Amino acid sequence: GAVVSQHPSRVICKSGTSVKIECRSLDFQATTMFWYRQFPKQSLMLMATSNEGSKATYEQGVEKDKFLINHASLTLSTLTVTSAHPEDSSFYICSAMEGHGYTFGSGTRLTVV
Amino acid sequence: KQEVTQIPAALSVPEGENLVLNCSFTDSAIYNLQWFRQDPGKGLTSLLLIQSSQREQTSGRLNASLDKSSGRSTLYIAASQPGDSATYLCAAYGNNRLAFGKGNQVVVIP
Repeated sequence: GAVVSQHPSRVICKSGTSVKIECRSLDFQATTMFWYRQFPKQSLMLMATSNEGSKATYEQGVEKDKFLINHASLTLSTLTVTSAHPEDSSFYICSAMEGHGYTFGSGTRLTVV
Repeated sequence: KQEVTQIPAALSVPEGENLVLNCSFTDSAIYNLQWFRQDPGKGLTSLLLIQSSQREQTSGRLNASLDKSSGRSTLYIAASQPGDSATYLCAAYGNNRLAFGKGNQVVVIP
């Protein structure tokens, strides 16, 4: 089946630094990928839709200068959390649609100290 | 805006019992509905995908039903095992958007 690989699985960074998270579709091409954020015991919240070769579409309330998305190829999308602060600490998950359903990465636990 | 609700939020059952997890959605104009499993600190694993034209899908001990007119889906897990302990998420896809519920957190007691 379709596989989406996400790295790193866990990252700790200092406040003010930037962190890049990668999401790759391993055995299919994904013109569109999705980035979600999940708080403890909460549902997944869509942050942005990443489009290959064009600008990402951000959900209302998500700062595009804070969460930079790049989708440079049909198999890779990256999310960069810039000037991270403790409130950015969360679980970030990417996904892609393959066939009729969605496939998700394994997630990245970001802790900003 | 699609809203997805999952009840109960959490439940514990003894091993061997059947599990029934409920999902309701407000907008019946969905393209499909997907059930996922999430283990603590992990990503989502797709369990079953039901197209809008289908009534149910089965995979092993899992069976999911879909009633679009009433805005409901139910996930049945037969003869539960401790390894079934996880959070189960329901997601409705429509209007180019995937809307998630908060999940059913399941603990199967050996």
